[in-house]
Amino acid sequence: GQSLEQPSEVTAVEGAIVQINCTYQTSGFYGLSWYQQHDGGAPTFLSYNALDGLEETGRFSSFLSRSDSYGYLLLQELQMKDSASYFCAVRDGFQKLVFGTGTRLLVSP
Amino acid sequence: SQTIHQWPATLVQPVGSPLSLECTVEGTSNPNLYWYRQAAGRGLQLLFYSVGIGQISSEVPQNLSASRPQDRQFILSSKKLLLSDSGFYLCAWGGRTSRSYEQYFGPGTRLTVT
Repeated sequence: GQSLEQPSEVTAVEGAIVQINCTYQTSGFYGLSWYQQHDGGAPTFLSYNALDGLEETGRFSSFLSRSDSYGYLLLQELQMKDSASYFCAVRDGFQKLVFGTGTRLLVSP
Repeated sequence: SQTIHQWPATLVQPVGSPLSLECTVEGTSNPNLYWYRQAAGRGLQLLFYSVGIGQISSEVPQNLSASRPQDRQFILSSKKLLLSDSGFYLCAWGGRTSRSYEQYFGPGTRLTVT
């Protein structure tokens, strides 16, 4: 089977740093993506790791360890607008993604 | 630039009624197209994907079907809705092979089956 596990909820304060973890078990693996979804909205693409290591995009960074079947999304200098759900997704074939259950991030003043 | 349209935005349908949701993409050709369903507070479940006109792959056997009559049009249908079909339906398009990790989602249709 295929499964991606994430914490259901994470809370933090403005200006802090938060890490959202994702462990996966899938039949195929071609990379790990991260998506952000605000309440009532559609998911938007944040980042992608095909190889081990850290990818940085502004305040957001994403890390992958293929040997550990593990990745994380790191959000720095948190802002209120970062309150949203974050999904990891494994590219398990050339054409499709398998999404995790999502982590709800609550940022407080 | 690429744009993806979905309609309607919200829909309330009785059990046993038919369903047709439409998705169209502008600004790109020969995209991969996807239908997802999201239950409240849950993750995205891939229902169908298509790599070309008339080519549909079903991920979850159920009373839904999909069709791709034109390159940039993707339709989700049901002959008889069930209560369990309620949810947030999202259409997405993605790049070919090397960029299939990056998908772009439409605004979604919130379906309530009563």
